[in-house]
Amino acid sequence: DTEVTQTPKHLVMGMTNKKSLKCEQHMGHRAMYWYKQKAKKPPELMFVYSYEKLSINESVPSRFSPECPNSSLLNLHLHALQPEDSALYLCASKGTDYYEQYFGPGTRLTVT
Amino acid sequence: GESVGLHLPTLSVQEGDNSIINCAYSNSASDYFIWYKQESGKGPQFIIDIRSNMDKRQGQRVTVLLNKTVKHLSLQIAATQPGDSAVYFCAENRDNFNKFYFGSGTKLNVKP
Repeated sequence: DTEVTQTPKHLVMGMTNKKSLKCEQHMGHRAMYWYKQKAKKPPELMFVYSYEKLSINESVPSRFSPECPNSSLLNLHLHALQPEDSALYLCASKGTDYYEQYFGPGTRLTVT
Repeated sequence: GESVGLHLPTLSVQEGDNSIINCAYSNSASDYFIWYKQESGKGPQFIIDIRSNMDKRQGQRVTVLLNKTVKHLSLQIAATQPGDSAVYFCAENRDNFNKFYFGSGTKLNVKP
């Protein structure tokens, strides 16, 4: 199974809402990623977890809060977002011995 | 057809022609490069990779060329097919084994 799954596919939330994005992989990968992608732009790295520990935070605002409950799951908790946070949020995973990342299909987030 | 770098975000080619997509990178410390294909509504998909100690690598219908002297990477697609229509991103690895930086991308349109 070389699939990374993400839920939900689409999410519309108000600026005062709290929501979570979920990501799951069963490839035994120990590195997991959150990227943000605006329309017609490349993915921008947000967070990297390595062996369930946060190893990279690309100066992401605290209204985005990542969580890695176990080696297969990655969450992104959202609170008090702004309309400019509307984007495609991509999850990816990677094995420890190679560079190839596997991406999920993303969650399309709209903040109203 | 040939793109002239990231300043030309769209490349249109006729089905059956060869395509060349270019990418410039800025950091000579980058030691690993990946080409990704992203179709509409999907996450990026790995195509081919190359280490910095190589200058060419071939896959099925695709070839990646690396010129470290001018910090330039290219993706050649032979006999381009309609299914190749997508946005193509180069990504470079540096600083950290888990950290990747994406280039701005080129949209490939294949005309039947």
